[in-house]
Amino acid sequence: NAGVTQTPKFQVLKTGQSMTLQCAQDMNHNSMYWYRQDPGMGLRLIYYSASEGTTDKGEVPNGYNVSRLNKREFSLRLESAAPSQTSVYFCASAGGFSGYTFGSGTRLTVV
Amino acid sequence: GENVEQHPSTLSVQEGDSAVIKCTYSDSASNYFPWYKQELGKGPQLIIDIRSNVGEKKDQRIAVTLNKTAKHFSLHITETQPEDSAVYFCAASSPRQNFVFGPGTRLSVLP
Repeated sequence: NAGVTQTPKFQVLKTGQSMTLQCAQDMNHNSMYWYRQDPGMGLRLIYYSASEGTTDKGEVPNGYNVSRLNKREFSLRLESAAPSQTSVYFCASAGGFSGYTFGSGTRLTVV
Repeated sequence: GENVEQHPSTLSVQEGDSAVIKCTYSDSASNYFPWYKQELGKGPQLIIDIRSNVGEKKDQRIAVTLNKTAKHFSLHITETQPEDSAVYFCAASSPRQNFVFGPGTRLSVLP
C-alpha cells in the first residue's frame, strides 16, 4: 500500500527547460492536488482535480499546467522553468470529506 | 475566501512539557480542521482532525480543541518527546472549499 507516489524526488533544471512531475495514488481517491512549499510560505495550491476529467486552478497556477491522466495519475508540467519555480512540490489525494494524503515531495531547483 | 493564521511560528519546549499551537480561521462555513506534522525531508502527515460538530478530540498525547464561536482551534501535545520535533500545519476546509493551510509552526523539543 504505497499511498501517493511522486517522481522524481530531486531535479535540477536550467532556466527555460521543461519537465513533468509525476504523481500516482493507489487509494481510489477522486481528488488530487499539487502544492508548492517555500520557506515561510506554507503550502500553496497550484492546481487541483476534483475528479477524473476535471482540473482547476489554485492559488498560484501561473507557469504550470496539469493533466489528470486517469483516476490514479495527476501530472504537473513546467513548460519553461524559471528560477522562481525553485521549490518543493507535493502531490496529495483525498477521498470523500477527509484529510489529504501527501506524497514525499519533489525538490526542484531551477538555475 | 478562507484565511488561516497560525501562532507561534516557532516553539521550543523542554522534553516532557506541553506544547500548544493555535490557529484562527475566517470563514464561518469551514467545518473540517485537520492538523499535519511534517518531518524534515518528508511530506506532511495527518495526525489528528476535528469536525465542527465536535468541541474536542484526543488521541493519546495529542488533542485538538475547537471554538466555533471564536473561530479558532488548537493543537495540544502533552509529555513532549524529541520525536515530536517537526513543523506542524493546521488547515480549514468546507465541502465547497479546498483546504487552506496555516503557515506552519516549527516545534523543537529540547532534551
